[in-house]
Amino acid sequence: DTGVSQDPRHKITKRGQNVTFRCDPISEHNRLYWYRQTLGQGPEFLTYFQNEAQLEKSRLLSDRFSAERPKGSFSTLEIQRTEQGDSAMYLCASRAGQGASGTEAFFGQGTRLTVV
Amino acid sequence: DQQVKQNSPSLSVQEGRISILNCDYTNSMFDYFLWYKKYPAEGPTFLISISSIKDKNEDGRFTVFLNKSAKHLSLHIVPSQPGDSAVYFCAASYGGSQGNLIFGKGTKLSVKP
Repeated sequence: DTGVSQDPRHKITKRGQNVTFRCDPISEHNRLYWYRQTLGQGPEFLTYFQNEAQLEKSRLLSDRFSAERPKGSFSTLEIQRTEQGDSAMYLCASRAGQGASGTEAFFGQGTRLTVV
Repeated sequence: DQQVKQNSPSLSVQEGRISILNCDYTNSMFDYFLWYKKYPAEGPTFLISISSIKDKNEDGRFTVFLNKSAKHLSLHIVPSQPGDSAVYFCAASYGGSQGNLIFGKGTKLSVKP
């Protein structure tokens, strides 16, 4: 296993279009997170899955955003009717362990979204 | 309201010297702290972590110190190398947060040869 994988690495889209990103976590990790990072900021939490269940969503995740993790393996993040403010790096991370804290999260290389 | 603060946006250090990166937090429920390193156009890479029951953790050239009473942690890199030049993020989590990490804004470290 080579770590967390994200696809695509870069995406340029026109305002109003829909985009979908994919994340393949480390295979034995049951916890999967999506974060968003904009210039000059640290990553900000968007949503969290434990296996296939989406257990938490940030208020940053508007109705235009939806995430899934069918079968508890890979995850997708879809943004509908993209806006210029959605331009950011979207990061996926996975963690092992049963506890809610106490282990590190491993990040993918991110998907850089540019909305023009 | 920023719960994790890195007040120095940048730090410049000479190769071979010590780099000290600082981080302050406000939420006393945080019980696990991590440092990540990030190069441009890449995701954050885990560096080192510390549990709130400890006050120090070492891994090679990297040491993290935790002062719970001051709600402060620091990352020491000794000796600093040019390859350490990157943005360093401090992050924290607590049991009730489902392991979600709260990040600071980062400190850009430049190590000059």
